[in-house]
Amino acid sequence: AQSVTQPDIHITVSEGASLELRCNYSYGATPYLFWYVQSPGQGLQLLLKYFSGDTLVQGIKGFEAEFKRSQSSFNLRKPSVHWSDAAEYFCAASGGSNYKLTFGKGTLLTVNP
Amino acid sequence: DTAVSQTPKYLVTQMGNDKSIKCEQNLGHDTMYWYKQDSKKFLKIMFSYNNKELIINETVPNRFSPKSPDKAHLNLHINSLELGDSAVYFCASSPAAETQYFGPGTRLLVL
Repeated sequence: AQSVTQPDIHITVSEGASLELRCNYSYGATPYLFWYVQSPGQGLQLLLKYFSGDTLVQGIKGFEAEFKRSQSSFNLRKPSVHWSDAAEYFCAASGGSNYKLTFGKGTLLTVNP
Repeated sequence: DTAVSQTPKYLVTQMGNDKSIKCEQNLGHDTMYWYKQDSKKFLKIMFSYNNKELIINETVPNRFSPKSPDKAHLNLHINSLELGDSAVYFCASSPAAETQYFGPGTRLLVL
């Protein structure tokens, strides 16, 4: 069955520190991959996406993600976290022509001053 | 110039009532979706319409009925509301099977 796993339920980092959020997927073929962010009481905002090509993708707000086929991973990174980055982060995948988007369970990011 | 909008934003109602949530997108997308986010923040797709045709219908109780009057609108009607229906419901839209853009969510509380 298709699935997306985010191993970390909650991560705490200090402001200015680097960040890496992990995401692994299990799909028959390479899916389309996405990272979304949800601030408290808000909807989901797309940070970045990977369809094909360059395995390092740049997104909004200084985020980037790297697709690694050998590890079935699509980890999200940011070199220096800001307090406003505190939110819930969701990794998601869809199977190309399959319209269905499968989400991971999310990682809650807390940023300490 | 909101891309995907939902009404209402909050909905508090009694068990057994019938309620509707409306969604509209002005992005010109062909495909629209309904997702449910439970109390643990888990997001799961419920339905999807492509050009007013139902293409995804997950194992959702038949008390939930989507309706797409045109490709810019996808409404969700819920009959005989139960406590377990309390959740945040998100509408989304996409150009075919590509990036999905989400609305702000409707927070439903069933008492």
